[in-house]
Amino acid sequence: NAGVTQTPKFQVLKTGQSMTLQCAQDMNHEYMSWYRQDPGMGLRLIHYSVGAGITDQGEVPNGYNVSRSTTEDFPLRLLSAAPSQTSVYFCASSYYRTPGNTIYFGEGSWLTVV
Amino acid sequence: QQPVQSPQAVILREGEDAVINCSSSKALYSVHWYRQKHGEAPVFLMILLKGGEQKGHEKISASFNEKKQQSSLYLTASQLSYSGTYFCGTEKDTDKLIFGTGTRLQVFP
Repeated sequence: NAGVTQTPKFQVLKTGQSMTLQCAQDMNHEYMSWYRQDPGMGLRLIHYSVGAGITDQGEVPNGYNVSRSTTEDFPLRLLSAAPSQTSVYFCASSYYRTPGNTIYFGEGSWLTVV
Repeated sequence: QQPVQSPQAVILREGEDAVINCSSSKALYSVHWYRQKHGEAPVFLMILLKGGEQKGHEKISASFNEKKQQSSLYLTASQLSYSGTYFCGTEKDTDKLIFGTGTRLQVFP
């Protein structure tokens, strides 16, 4: 019963480096999304996808890129990491797009940019 | 625009009650409530889909006032396990679930 799986769990990057946070779900969910969590800011939506081949921007999309080539996977790319992107990143999915569907979260990925 | 939660923090003794409020400046389709323990992922508590709806989950319940664009989470006879940060999530557009900044709840023996 894997649910939503994120890798890596911890990562340290240097400013300017690029990297991809992986997210996979095995629940056949159409809807997937990425949030970042910073102290005092709650969970902020970065990007989301309502199905394979369809992505859209959330509240804080700048500096991030996503694609959805399969139903299962929704990777988040940091194009040129900045210290302001130090955060905890959560991938989430639901059976169908909201409203009213429970969102299931992954375990989180702790990213530090130095 | 993020919904506004109040209070920002609550400290309780075991057995006491608490209310957490969530309000939005825009009309809402639904309200989600989640609880997050330190270092863990948020966990689903309940969804309220329409105005006037009330739901309960053990000693945790919630209401949704569509006209006032707000929801309240009620924690009754709190237990140590209730400690954590509570988030409301609101939906104005059908594809985006936007969360509030959270309310930190600490329950002491």
